[in-house]
Formats: sequence, C-alpha cells, structure tokens
Amino acid sequence: QQQVKQSPQSLIVQKGGISIINCAYENTAFDYFPWYQQFPGKGPALLIAIRPDVSEKKEGRFTISFNKSAKQFSLHIMDSQPGDSATYFCAARNSGYALNFGKGTSLLVTP
Amino acid sequence: SQTIHQWPATLVQPVGSPLSLECTVEGTSNPNLYWYRQAAGRGLQLLFYSVGIGQISSEVPQNLSASRPQDRQFILSSKKLLLSDSGFYLCAWSDRELEAFFGQGTRLTVV
Repeated sequence: QQQVKQSPQSLIVQKGGISIINCAYENTAFDYFPWYQQFPGKGPALLIAIRPDVSEKKEGRFTISFNKSAKQFSLHIMDSQPGDSATYFCAARNSGYALNFGKGTSLLVTP
Repeated sequence: SQTIHQWPATLVQPVGSPLSLECTVEGTSNPNLYWYRQAAGRGLQLLFYSVGIGQISSEVPQNLSASRPQDRQFILSSKKLLLSDSGFYLCAWSDRELEAFFGQGTRLTVV
C-alpha cells in the first residue's frame, strides 16, 4: 500500500516558471516530510524538509508548503532552471522508522 | 563528516548466481541503515532496515536477505538471483532524528 501519494508523475516547465509537485499522506503519525532530488544514475539527495508544526519552509528557490489538516504537502520551485531537471521524491517518516517515498515526479525544465 | 560508500556501481549477473552488495558508513555510530530498490515508475521501495548490529527488519517478501555484521556495515545478499531482481539498489543511513542519506546506488542487471 502506497502510504505517500505523489503527483504529477511528470512535469514540463519553461525556464523561469514555477514547478509544483504535490503529495498526500494518510498516516497521522508521520512527523517528518523531506523532499529528495535525484539525477540519473545517482542516489537521491536531500533537498529540503519540514516538520508538521510548520506550515511553510523556504530555502532559496525551493519552498515546502504543508497543510496538516488536509494531510498534504507540496514542493514549489521558483524561477525553475534547466539544471533543476531531475526526479523529485516526497517522503514521510514515522519517528524511528524508515522513510516512505512517493513514486516520484520527473521534472523537465525547457530552455 | 559522514559518508556512505556503496559498491559496486554496476553489476551484471546471470540468473541463479549469488549476490552480495556492500554498504559502509563513516563518521557516525549506531546509524539506522536501509536498503531500497528503485524500479522505473515505482519509486523507492524499502527492502530492509536495521537499527543495530544483527537487527534486520524486512518490509517485503522476496528473494533477498540482509545482514549487519558490524555497526556501520550493511550487506544485501541473494543465494540465487532471479530476472526480477534487476534494478537500482540504494543503501541509506540516518540518525534517529535526521533525514536519510543515500549512497550512489548499484545498477544490477540479471541476465
């Protein structure tokens, strides 16, 4: 059973545009929500993360928005660049246990 | 600083042959260790995780096994590989409270 549902599966955005990836979860015991970025042939790398007591976290061009009541969280990439083209995974963790990942979103930023 | 080493990077093995993938972590003690498998379109599937030496939890029934002979060493094994074992295998570690950090992965092709 997929504990974290991620959409869209793929996304094409023009350079300078905003990329938005959404995730939803059911388990209210999840207490940590990271996003990972993965380039082809490489392992995922942590991009940004948030805890449920915060509604938004921003790091540079990357922002996580978190809606605890709706059990949803999203990644916004502002001023998207071709170098942002990668696969993005959202995840959720119940403290002390392993991360549960979404299925990933393949992002392509066109010049 | 902490680093994670995973090898080999690529591996081609015949059906029915054994498998041993190794992962080691440096710069931390008593980490949580994980093995994930990544298949196209299916995201990251947790295979095994370990919270200490000799303590292994399996998430899905399969042809694989894991062992943790030392605090910072995690091994993924199989006695007889199947075609369906092909995929991208990722080792990861985490502190109890922090995010997971991934190795660079092993691309396994069973022929």
